Amino acid sequence: GQQLNQSPQSMFIQEGEDVSMNCTSSSIFNTWLWYKQEPGEGPVLLIALYKAGELTSNGRLTAQFGITRKDSFLNISASIPSDVGIYFCAGHLYGNKLVFGAGTILRVKS
Amino acid sequence: NAGVTQTPKFRVLKTGQSMTLLCAQDMNHEYMYWYRQDPGMGLRLIHYSVGEGTTAKGEVPDGYNVSRLKKQNFLLGLESAAPSQTSVYFCASSPPGTSGRAMFFGPGTRLTVL
Repeated sequence: GQQLNQSPQSMFIQEGEDVSMNCTSSSIFNTWLWYKQEPGEGPVLLIALYKAGELTSNGRLTAQFGITRKDSFLNISASIPSDVGIYFCAGHLYGNKLVFGAGTILRVKS
Repeated sequence: NAGVTQTPKFRVLKTGQSMTLLCAQDMNHEYMYWYRQDPGMGLRLIHYSVGEGTTAKGEVPDGYNVSRLKKQNFLLGLESAAPSQTSVYFCASSPPGTSGRAMFFGPGTRLTVL
């Protein structure tokens, strides 16, 4: 099946630093999505991208849909303690099914 | 408006036992899904349903059965639990045609099979 390679697997950063993570695939997608999961909760959608090259922001979060449609990245600027969690990328090609990356665990030192 | 709820939150089973996980949504969504989450593997789709009375297999359906007798409920059954089914299970729902951008997840059920 389709696979998404998400990196890094985990990050332990200082409060105030910027964060960057990405997802790559051998397959193309029509939509890229980024989710955040906090402990004991289900994933919550952060940003959705619908067009190759699209750059979208949501507060301190910025995500881009790669030109080749096979990759996407998420940046978090000026990290704060409440940014901790697991960040998942997901790709959508057809129907209503998503393919998820393995997640990036983010820890923030205050 | 509770969104997506899951019952129970935690469960411990012995190998061979059976159980049913219940998912309920109050958003009138047509589509519902069951995922499992394992360390380092992200979320994998077990089964899904595109409407009341219909179900379909996802990526990892073996060992699980589902039923969608009512639009708001989606049940996941394990007939004979195995240690490999130890995981966190998430239910989700979405309206059709939204490419996942309107997918809402429940809080999860943590299942341990001994």
